[in-house]
Amino acid sequence: AQKVTQAQTEISVVEKEDVTLDCVYETRDTTYYLFWYKQPPSGELVFLIRRNSFDEQNEISGRYSWNFQKSTSSFNFTITASQVVDSAVYFCALSEASRGGYQKVTFGTGTKLQVIP
Amino acid sequence: KAGVTQTPRYLIKTRGQQVTLSCSPISGHRSVSWYQQTPGQGLQFLFEYFSETQRNKGNFPGRFSGRQFSNSRSEMNVSTLELGDSALYLCASAATSLQGGDYGYTFGSGTRLTVV
Repeated sequence: AQKVTQAQTEISVVEKEDVTLDCVYETRDTTYYLFWYKQPPSGELVFLIRRNSFDEQNEISGRYSWNFQKSTSSFNFTITASQVVDSAVYFCALSEASRGGYQKVTFGTGTKLQVIP
Repeated sequence: KAGVTQTPRYLIKTRGQQVTLSCSPISGHRSVSWYQQTPGQGLQFLFEYFSETQRNKGNFPGRFSGRQFSNSRSEMNVSTLELGDSALYLCASAATSLQGGDYGYTFGSGTRLTVV
């Protein structure tokens, strides 16, 4: 069974600090996808990044970076020089192919990030 | 293009009543998934529809049901509401389930249901 653990329930940082959100996953599949979504107060989940299990290259997008390590089953997300607009709940998710050809997506419980001005 | 539209945005119902929530996916998307989000349980998968057929179902009681129409719009229904059904219900769409799993889903803003 697949599982996603986000051990950090809430994090508070002061603006311009760096912050890392942790994500640990469990799966028996060799082919899977990992995602990060952002949920601002408005409610909708906003897709941030996708990673497949065969690509362990770290990725940087502006102030955001992701560190994928299969050896530790982790897919951590770092925000550099945090801003108040980064305040949101962040979800890590795992997708693996299930029988029948459709994907099963499991979300972590989310990490609420508060950036204090 | 228009995003995923969920109506209504807010809803207050009394215990024992039933409720129907609506989701219009992005044009061209045929896969629609529903999630329940609560502070205690996080995001839990309810079910997924593709081309009017339920393809996948989470672990929710039979009081939770859904359907999808030929235009891909989906509705979910909760009968005999309980206080614990108070939650944010999110709808997500993708062209196909495989594409959603591979490339990510597009989510709506949700319907916040309060049961009193």
